[in-house]
This record gives sequence, C-alpha cells and structure tokens, in this order.
Amino acid sequence: QVQLLQSEAEVKKPGASVTVSCKASGYSFLSHGLNWVRQAPGQGLEWMGWISGHTGNTNYAKNLQGRVTMTRDTSTSTVYMEVRSLRSDDTAVYFCARGGGVGRSFDVWGQGTRVTVSS
Amino acid sequence: SYVLTQPPSVSVAPGQTASITCEGNNIGSKNVHWYQQRPGQAPVLVVYDDSDRPSGIPERFSGSNSGNTATLTISRVEAGDEADYYCQVWDITRDDYVFGPGSTVTVL
Repeated sequence: QVQLLQSEAEVKKPGASVTVSCKASGYSFLSHGLNWVRQAPGQGLEWMGWISGHTGNTNYAKNLQGRVTMTRDTSTSTVYMEVRSLRSDDTAVYFCARGGGVGRSFDVWGQGTRVTVSS
Repeated sequence: SYVLTQPPSVSVAPGQTASITCEGNNIGSKNVHWYQQRPGQAPVLVVYDDSDRPSGIPERFSGSNSGNTATLTISRVEAGDEADYYCQVWDITRDDYVFGPGSTVTVL
C-alpha cells in the first residue's frame, strides 16, 4: 500500500538546523511530488513547499524562502526537508504529503515528525 | 495573500447533518480540498476538487463550491466524525497553497 514513513522526533537549540526525511513506498516515486506541511502546537496547518519526485524542482512558501531546502534521493525514494536558523516558533509537527501536481490535493500523508526548538 | 475563513466550531447531534463553510474571495473559481484531522493524527483527505471523494471515504461526506463560499457537508453524523476539518486552495497569484484556520466538529 502507498505509505510515507517519516524520521523520528528531534530536539534542537535556537539557531541550529534540522533535517526531516520522508521515505515513500507503494507507488512510483517519480510520478508524484511531495509537499511539506507543518502544524504548531494547538494551531492549524501551514504549507511549507513542494518538491517534484521526477525533476527535483522545488517551490517554497514565500515566508520560508531562504530558510528551507527540500531535496530528494530517487535511489531510495526519500525526500529530505531542512530548516535552518531554527527559532522557537518553528516548534511544530512536520508532515510530508503526496501531491498530484500544482493545485491538486494531498492524498497520502506521513505520520508526522515532532520538532522541538528549545534552549 | 489569499485568506480563507472557517467557523471555529460546529456542533451537531448524532444522525443530523453538519455543514462546515469555507469563505474566500471568489472561491468558486478555485478547486477546494477538505481534510479531516483527528487529535494526534495526520490529516486525511475527505473531499477534493470541490466535491469528489477519495476511495474509502463514506458517501456521507460531500462538498460544494460557488461564489464566495465552499461547503463540506457531513450527513448522518457519527461520533467518529469528531475532528478538525480544514479547507485548502491553491493561490495562483502567490504560487502558494492556503489552508483555512480549521473548524472543530463536536458531536453532542
């Protein structure tokens, strides 16, 4: 079955970087893009960006450009999302989600990775 | 940026119908997607492209979109429908996805 398996929880200090991974299985990795969405404690969903499984092209949310980088490894069907210069308000659960293209819905989601930023 | 508005909470008795609105400027011209999120879990797609249902989603979930309002309707509400519901659109002017603030459905 289609599955997205994310890496374990992380605790980081302010100013550090974190990388979260998302391993896809059960479908053609090259045929879909992957989005990242985060959710701060008690808050709603925030889209962070997208990476194409086929080309590696990316599109980042305007408020995160310059601090986030998404990459992929087609040999392992894994996508990575790095956030730099972490602040306390980056504390959130980070989800990867499969997308069908620009403007399309997210039909499969990973289980989420909790990232805590604290001194 | 494009702004979506949802009611913070919707309460409904079991067996009745819950309607969750998502308002945005001329949202009827966009494709709206809806997600259900139960506490501590990842979101689940329940309606896409205004009114289509993914496989495995009960027919009790339906959607509509016109003018400035999109609506997710849950018929014959069950206790298991208690969750947060988020609408989502693509903002073509900013090349961004936008989520609504979410609505909490409580089954009385």
